[in-house]
Amino acid sequence: GAGVSQSPRYKVAKRGQDVALRCDPISGHVSLFWYQQALGQGPEFLTYFQNEAQLDKSGLPSDRFFAERPEGSVSTLKIQRTQQEDSAVYLCASSLTGGFNEQFFGPGTRLTVL
Amino acid sequence: AQSVTQPDIHITVSEGASLELRCNYSYGATPYLFWYVQSPGQGLQLLLKYFSGDTLVQGIKGFEAEFKRSQSSFNLRKPSVHWSDAAEYFCAATLSGTYKYIFGTGTRLKVLA
Repeated sequence: GAGVSQSPRYKVAKRGQDVALRCDPISGHVSLFWYQQALGQGPEFLTYFQNEAQLDKSGLPSDRFFAERPEGSVSTLKIQRTQQEDSAVYLCASSLTGGFNEQFFGPGTRLTVL
Repeated sequence: AQSVTQPDIHITVSEGASLELRCNYSYGATPYLFWYVQSPGQGLQLLLKYFSGDTLVQGIKGFEAEFKRSQSSFNLRKPSVHWSDAAEYFCAATLSGTYKYIFGTGTRLKVLA
């Protein structure tokens, strides 16, 4: 596709459930990023991949959050034992090269934890 | 600590009026600066960016921004707002050579017909 796609677009989970959010970056993009955007806030960095390597996971809020990109393309953000404070929009972005470059954002997945 | 501040949470303007959205940054060095727009249910779309050089930057959709080092600001402007400009606008920054963007909290723009 032409842009970054994410699925599902909306996810409702009961507290304690595990969820998996998918990101399809722009084909050929080396770098992939996940951001968390709480209501009324700007996006906050979660983690960064260069190809399949997770180079930075400093923004993951707890060990319940886990991200992978096993083949260097599609990425999955997994949240275990979801809590109400996990409710947010999760944005994925990709960029052509490693290091600094313009990031292209997907539409996001809105997660609501009841 | 590095930060990006957007002082205005909401702004309302009439269609055809001019617009200025404020952005201030706090970094040890001059960062790369960006403005993004986010429409409901959409991802972030890049409007313009500043790396170096000419401090007046032109972007898409008729937007421009001016970098002012003395004020640590990067304000977004548009001479005449259209109803379709109603959206949320985010200022972001990153240091040269780094990938970690820091975003402001956003300014929600409402346009009156």
